Amino acid sequence: EAGVVQSPRYKIIEKKQPVAFWCNPISGHNTLYWYLQNLGQGPELLIRYENEEAVDDSQLPKDRFSAERLKGVDSTLKIQPAELGDSAVYLCASSPHRGRYNEQFFGPGTRLTVL
Amino acid sequence: LAKTTQPISMDSYEGQEVNITCSHNNIATNDYITWYQQFPSQGPRFIIQGYKTKVTNEVASLFIPADRKSSTLSLPRVSLSDTAVYYCLVGDKDGANNLFFGTGTRLTVIP
Repeated sequence: EAGVVQSPRYKIIEKKQPVAFWCNPISGHNTLYWYLQNLGQGPELLIRYENEEAVDDSQLPKDRFSAERLKGVDSTLKIQPAELGDSAVYLCASSPHRGRYNEQFFGPGTRLTVL
Repeated sequence: LAKTTQPISMDSYEGQEVNITCSHNNIATNDYITWYQQFPSQGPRFIIQGYKTKVTNEVASLFIPADRKSSTLSLPRVSLSDTAVYYCLVGDKDGANNLFFGTGTRLTVIP
């Protein structure tokens, strides 16, 4: 069974440029999460989707971050414009269960470097 | 919000049993305890989840005392490949409290 797929794996951009990350969850998983992970820290939840509905986005900095999951399958996270402090690993996870604390399956992440 | 406290790091020799304790004094009635493992350059991986007493799977055991204010993840006979960061999470599966990983415990297994 294929795991969670994320692309790109690495991205280097200059500050003020836009950037987008793509995630394809495990087939049949209706819940999808986006996390941000800084070096030496645990993942921090940005947004959670149940199918195509964003049910938990209180941690998403909405002035520059946006996300979509139009058909309830794959998802895109966008940053526009990127800032130096956005350099981090962006993780996507999916789950066959609803809710926050059920087992999640993580992708390998996208490492973003903002210069 | 039930915060968790874990040791920042632990070292263990190969073949030993490792116990990582997590404190969660403010755990709520509906909260579950979940542990994840994360290797460098990978996303976290679910290890085990429990509510009370003891849970065991093919990877680890989770011990939860009656008051549920702490929990212990037990890894039997660790190998070098168990070197990773281990996160303890506490929360209601369907509730409104934030999903919080914290900084985790960095386990280093020594040959």
